[in-house]
Amino acid sequence: GESVGLHLPTLSVQEGDNSIINCAYSNSASDYFIWYKQESGKGPQFIIDIRSNMDKRQGQRVTVLLNKTVKHLSLQIAATQPGDSAVYFCAETGGSYIPTFGRGTSLIVHP
Amino acid sequence: DTGVSQDPRHKITKRGQNVTFRCDPISEHNRLYWYRQTLGQGPEFLTYFQNEAQLEKSRLLSDRFSAERPKGSFSTLEIQRTEQGDSAMYLCASTQSSGANVLTFGAGSRLTVL
Repeated sequence: GESVGLHLPTLSVQEGDNSIINCAYSNSASDYFIWYKQESGKGPQFIIDIRSNMDKRQGQRVTVLLNKTVKHLSLQIAATQPGDSAVYFCAETGGSYIPTFGRGTSLIVHP
Repeated sequence: DTGVSQDPRHKITKRGQNVTFRCDPISEHNRLYWYRQTLGQGPEFLTYFQNEAQLEKSRLLSDRFSAERPKGSFSTLEIQRTEQGDSAMYLCASTQSSGANVLTFGAGSRLTVL
């Protein structure tokens, strides 16, 4: 079936390092992707999005890369800070208005 | 506007009881979604509304679950005859149909069924 998933359930980094969180998707009809950040006790929060007609989009300290050939999405966080510690989800929307979420990656930033 | 509000934040109930959760979306958002999230998993879609119309329901939404959005503003999610497997975080989100489909989530309502 169609699915969205993440390669690594947990990622530990040192403060100041760059972090890369990966996501694989299998729905070839997906045309819109969003990365969300979820801190403990809170709902997911929007970080950055990308449409399928792009392969890269940059925000403040974050970059999303989309490789449609291998159906892969990544989130790069530059100069990771302790406040970046959270669970990160990719979500895809393809042909419907219903975002489908992957399992998530827990990012742990050590000071 | 204070964002998406959910009430109650926590609910502990005994198996077999009914529970109801309320969601107040961002006022100018016409789409409202309900998701369920269990520990270590991503949010799973349950249902969504555009204005007062319920447009889609997941197969996860058994006949014990019902959601309403009577005036196209707030929404309620009711679970009847709760089971231990219903224990989860119930997340509400809203968005505006005219924009990108970026959901703004509430903090969730955590349900524990004993």
